[in-house]
Formats: sequence, C-alpha cells, structure tokens
Amino acid sequence: GAGVSQSPSNKVTEKGKDVELRCDPISGHTALYWYRQSLGQGLEFLIYFQGNSAPDKSGLPSDRFSAERTGGSVSTLTIQRTQQEDSAVYLCASSYPIGELFFGEGSRLTVL
Amino acid sequence: GDSVTQMEGPVTLSEEAFLTINCTYTATGYPSLFWYVQYPGEGLQLLLKATKADDKGSNKGFEATYRKETTSFHLEKGSVQVSDSAVYFCALSRNAGNNRKLIWGLGTSLAVNP
Repeated sequence: GAGVSQSPSNKVTEKGKDVELRCDPISGHTALYWYRQSLGQGLEFLIYFQGNSAPDKSGLPSDRFSAERTGGSVSTLTIQRTQQEDSAVYLCASSYPIGELFFGEGSRLTVL
Repeated sequence: GDSVTQMEGPVTLSEEAFLTINCTYTATGYPSLFWYVQYPGEGLQLLLKATKADDKGSNKGFEATYRKETTSFHLEKGSVQVSDSAVYFCALSRNAGNNRKLIWGLGTSLAVNP
C-alpha cells in the first residue's frame, strides 16, 4: 500500500490474555520501528528492525513484549499476559535506513 | 537526561489567527529538532525540521527557528486554516538520522474554528 498499515485499529482484551499487533510498512523501507504512546506520555521507543541486522530491543519494557519481522517486511508485536498498564496506542513507523519516519495510524490497546 | 516540553493544549483559534506552539528542550550538544503533525484519522508525519542552531524549518506555511540561546523551537503560522486542526508534536534527536533516539513532547492539540 501507499502508507504504513496497522491492525487492528482497536483492541480490547482481558488482563492476562496475549495480543498481537500487526504492522505492514511502506514497500522498500528497510527500517521499522515500534513506539508506544501511553496516556499523558510522549512516544516511547520499543524496538527497531533494520534489514537483516539483529533488532534493537532496548526499549521493550519487559520480557512479556516481543516482536518479529518476517521477510524484512511485515512485523508483529506480541504482548503476553497483558496487564492494565499495557493499555496504550502502539505506533509503527518505517523509513529508509536514515531518513524521515512514516507512521501508521496506530493500534489502540485497552486491557480491562 | 534529554527532554522536550511543549505547551499544553488544547489550543483553539479562529480561522486566519496567528499560531504559536511553544517547544523548549533540554539536551547536551547540538540536537536536531523536529515538528510532527497528526491529522485526524491519519498517522504522524514530519512537518518540518532543523539540524543546527539558527536554522529555520518551514513547510505548509509553518515555521520554526532553532534557537540555541533559548533552547527553543517554537512552531508558528501566520494565518491558520480549519485544515490545520491536528495534534502537533515537538521532538529532538541527538543523532541526526537516528530515529530510535527521538525524544518526544506530549503533543499539543489545535482546533481551528471557521
């Protein structure tokens, strides 16, 4: 597609359940980022993929969070055993190795 | 550590009014500074940037000047339109081009009434 696509746009889940969030980056963009925006907070970096290099996972808040990127394209962010503090908007962005970020509309996660 | 502080919103203006959204930062060295905008129903997008002191970024009638002496990067537009209604985010990066190290403000919501 023309832009970064994220799904689902909204997800409501119960505490303790696992969730998967999907990101389809712009074709040709080798870099992919996940950010989290919690209520009243700025964007928080989570994880970064660049080509075939090992991902930078330094922003993941706990081992319940993981992400993978298959075939250098689509990425999935997985949150296991969700907690209420995981409620946030999860943003995906892609870019060329160095350059402007292009963001998706985000996935709003609500953990009850 | 590095930080970005934006004026709190929401900001409500009438069409053709002058807009200023304040942004100040704390960082060592010479960071690059950015304004991103999120229109309703769309993803964040880069509005303008400046990479060194006294640089002026401009786009779509918006301007911001990198002021090292006041550690500021205020966003301005001389005459806003209804279509400018959006959330505006100020951000900095200590490493130009390193998007992992972007430090973000909390965002300022702007509503422009006809």
